[in-house]
Amino acid sequence: DSGVTQTPKHLITATGQRVTLRCSPRSGDLSVYWYQQSLDQGLQFLIQYYNGEERAKGNILERFSAQQFPDLHSELNLSSLELGDSALYFCASSVENWIPNEQFFGPGTRLTVL
Amino acid sequence: AQKITQTQPGMFVQEKEAVTLDCTYDTSDQSYGLFWYKQPSSGEMIFLIYQGSYDEQNATEGRYSLNFQKARKSANLVISASQLGDSAMYFCAMSAAQGGSEKLVFGKGMKLTVNP
Repeated sequence: DSGVTQTPKHLITATGQRVTLRCSPRSGDLSVYWYQQSLDQGLQFLIQYYNGEERAKGNILERFSAQQFPDLHSELNLSSLELGDSALYFCASSVENWIPNEQFFGPGTRLTVL
Repeated sequence: AQKITQTQPGMFVQEKEAVTLDCTYDTSDQSYGLFWYKQPSSGEMIFLIYQGSYDEQNATEGRYSLNFQKARKSANLVISASQLGDSAMYFCAMSAAQGGSEKLVFGKGMKLTVNP
């Protein structure tokens, strides 16, 4: 158990819908990262928050957005869903922001868009 | 841009034998980190080992060791005494500095199967 929690574990929805994925980082970790794992794209970095502020953006679509709340939990919002958004979405957390250090991953949310 | 290459799509090893998983990387950064993660069929990503670019010695964590060859830009994972539970996907990753962030760039992964 990494200490990072994600809900829900599975999500099945239809095209055009909007969903929210939730992540709680390890106690004491200020950085939260979101990654998408799909069969064709592999594991890709989406976005990072550090202590409530957006720190970096990766290959995140405009239909996707995220935020980190004062209690440090984070939510990833996916809207106007398409079939290609079906993937495993991971949240990871780490203590530091500026130096290389291991990121601890949550169990993931498996999103299926029908 | 940073890039991780894992060329072995899959490997088979006998239980109790050692196995080396290959990883090469490309970066122009002077400071970076190299990581290996394990993903069992259940889907979670499990951190295994970390090597900093300035670390002189190869990292070790129990049965895992990282064979870091900076000049060759390789960061191979060595698993000693393989166990059945080691069967999983293995991903090599690199921390890539981006505006003060340390996002991870992953390779495509490779599947390890440990046979009894």
